[in-house]
Amino acid sequence: ETGVTQTPRHLVMGMTNKKSLKCEQHLGHNAMYWYKQSAKKPLELMFVYSLEERVENNSVPSRFSPECPNSSHLFLHLHTLQPEDSALYLCASSQRYRTSTDTQYFGPGTRLTVL
Amino acid sequence: AQSVAQPEDQVNVAEGNPLTVKCTYSVSGNPYLFWYVQYPNRGLQFLLKYITGDNLVKGSYGFEAEFNKSQTSFHLKKPSALVSDSALYFCAVRDNTGGFKTIFGAGTRLFVKA
Repeated sequence: ETGVTQTPRHLVMGMTNKKSLKCEQHLGHNAMYWYKQSAKKPLELMFVYSLEERVENNSVPSRFSPECPNSSHLFLHLHTLQPEDSALYLCASSQRYRTSTDTQYFGPGTRLTVL
Repeated sequence: AQSVAQPEDQVNVAEGNPLTVKCTYSVSGNPYLFWYVQYPNRGLQFLLKYITGDNLVKGSYGFEAEFNKSQTSFHLKKPSALVSDSALYFCAVRDNTGGFKTIFGAGTRLFVKA
């Protein structure tokens, strides 16, 4: 897990707050992903970046705003969230995006609680 | 459309006994199949994957998985379970027809009792 790091590990925020989640990968990969993991639901892909360009946005509400300033860093900016947005947010990276055989490597996640 | 199913929410096994965690899939083209494990408060860790070749794939921590094309299955197995294997296991699939998304199963919780 040291290949992909995420900060903070835990975050509690009110519905009117603005916060950001940070992900950093040390694997030299070109693709980075945000997933949402809620209890008793399959992993939901939120966003994909390939070479710093957003290539996937899976109908995610605009209160989630991703940013990828370079191929090693990925942010998820949060504002005016709802309690149902409480979940574990996982960052992942892979060598390439459009290569079906590539393995994704995950960070430890940020446990988000929205009050 | 791609899909993956893990028919068991939970699997219970005694330490030292063999374990199997089931996974079935549906894809349009050739499947690429993955198993991940998640320990409490951690991210997903890659265990093994099937791309092509030998139907029996060996992975980390003594796990292996058998690809069965006729049954569209990719069950995870271990000959002798350890208490430390207790975790949440995810099966995932991609295909080679241009769908680059990884589809994850809902997960199976494995409990290994001492």
